[in-house]
Amino acid sequence: EVLLLESGGGLVQPGGSLRLSCAASGFTFSTYAISWARQAPGKGLEWVSVISGSGSNTYYADSVKGRFTISRDNAKNTLYLQMDSLRAEDTALYYCAKGIRASGPFDYWGQGTLVTVSS
Amino acid sequence: IVLTQSPATLSLSPGERATLSCRASQSLNSYLAWYQQKPGQAPRLLIYDASNRATGIPARFSGSGSGTDFTLTISSLEAEDFAVYYCQQCYNWPLTFGGGTKVEIK
Repeated sequence: EVLLLESGGGLVQPGGSLRLSCAASGFTFSTYAISWARQAPGKGLEWVSVISGSGSNTYYADSVKGRFTISRDNAKNTLYLQMDSLRAEDTALYYCAKGIRASGPFDYWGQGTLVTVSS
Repeated sequence: IVLTQSPATLSLSPGERATLSCRASQSLNSYLAWYQQKPGQAPRLLIYDASNRATGIPARFSGSGSGTDFTLTISSLEAEDFAVYYCQQCYNWPLTFGGGTKVEIK
């Protein structure tokens, strides 16, 4: 059974940093690209970033480029999202999602971890 | 790439047919997916590459279209189908989602 479990969310002040983790199991982790997507409270879905299976290729949404960094540790079957210079508009439920291909779609999603940026 | 979903809300009764639209600002070939999301849950993949049902998705869900115009059809609504539906383009970076269509009970 494929499982994705996010952690690391919480309350952070504007300008602060947070690192999210996504622990994966039930599939050959290093074979698949994994994305982060987010959903602000009561709003729609927004794709954030993707990393290839090897970790050599990454892409970002314009809204987070230069502030967020995606990475992975294939030995630990874990995906990360380092979030710096956080803004109020980054407040959202953050999901990790496994892609059928690097560019999606996403056939498995975690349950999300909530990030709140507020003073 | 901007995806525009219509209508924003669809009010229907169980057993009725639902037709949801997703229009792209440029051609996607067939690289479009549909997701269902219920309150408090993560999205679930329904359709990928415009018309392929994902694993375990009932046959009442079907997708069609190519280029810029796509449709998700639910042939006969069941109680568990009332939810929000999103389309997503998988053609170009950055990946984008439509704004969603809420299918509610009439």
